[in-house]
Amino acid sequence: EVQLLESGGDLVQPGGSLRLSCAASGFTFKNHDMSWVRQAPGKGLEWVAGISIGGGSTFYTDSVRGRFTISRDNPRNTLYLQLNSLRPEDTAVYYCVSTIIRPGDHWGQGTLVTVSS
Amino acid sequence: QPVLTQPPSFSASPGESARLTCTLPSDINVHAYNMYWYQQKPGSPPRYLLHYYSDSDKGQGSGVPSRFSGSKDASANTGILLISGLQSEDEADYYCMIWPSNTWVFGGGTKLAVL
Repeated sequence: EVQLLESGGDLVQPGGSLRLSCAASGFTFKNHDMSWVRQAPGKGLEWVAGISIGGGSTFYTDSVRGRFTISRDNPRNTLYLQLNSLRPEDTAVYYCVSTIIRPGDHWGQGTLVTVSS
Repeated sequence: QPVLTQPPSFSASPGESARLTCTLPSDINVHAYNMYWYQQKPGSPPRYLLHYYSDSDKGQGSGVPSRFSGSKDASANTGILLISGLQSEDEADYYCMIWPSNTWVFGGGTKLAVL
């Protein structure tokens, strides 16, 4: 059974930083692209970042490029998202999402990031 | 990034069908893309439902009932999620998504009420 378990969400002040983690199990993590998708309170889904199987290619939505960094540790089966220069509009539940067969075929339960003073 | 337009809400009665739409901007041809659909119930993460590219290239997510199906309307440049035989458990938010140029673009979502 595929499992994606996010952690690291917290309350942080504007301008602060966080690192989110996603522990993956139940599939061969190193063989699949991964992504982060976020959902602001009461709003829709927004793709944030994606990473290729080896980590050599990374992609970002415009609003986070230069502030967020996606990375992966394949031997540890873990996906990361480093969030810097956080803004109130970054407040959201952040989901770790797999592309095993199709994009978004498995989602974690999410971790809440709140940016507020 | 393109904007995918979904009606904010849709309602239907149990047993009826719901045709949920996802309209692409005029400069993007719906035929060029796989369209993916996700269901989200309150307090839960989204769930992958299905993808539709053409009648010969489509597929269901694991455990997704055949009551859920996808199609396209070329004249309207729209992707469609059809849910037949509506059940109360189908009440949820539904999101469409396309995958252009290494990014994922979601529609704004449709809240389906089964009244």
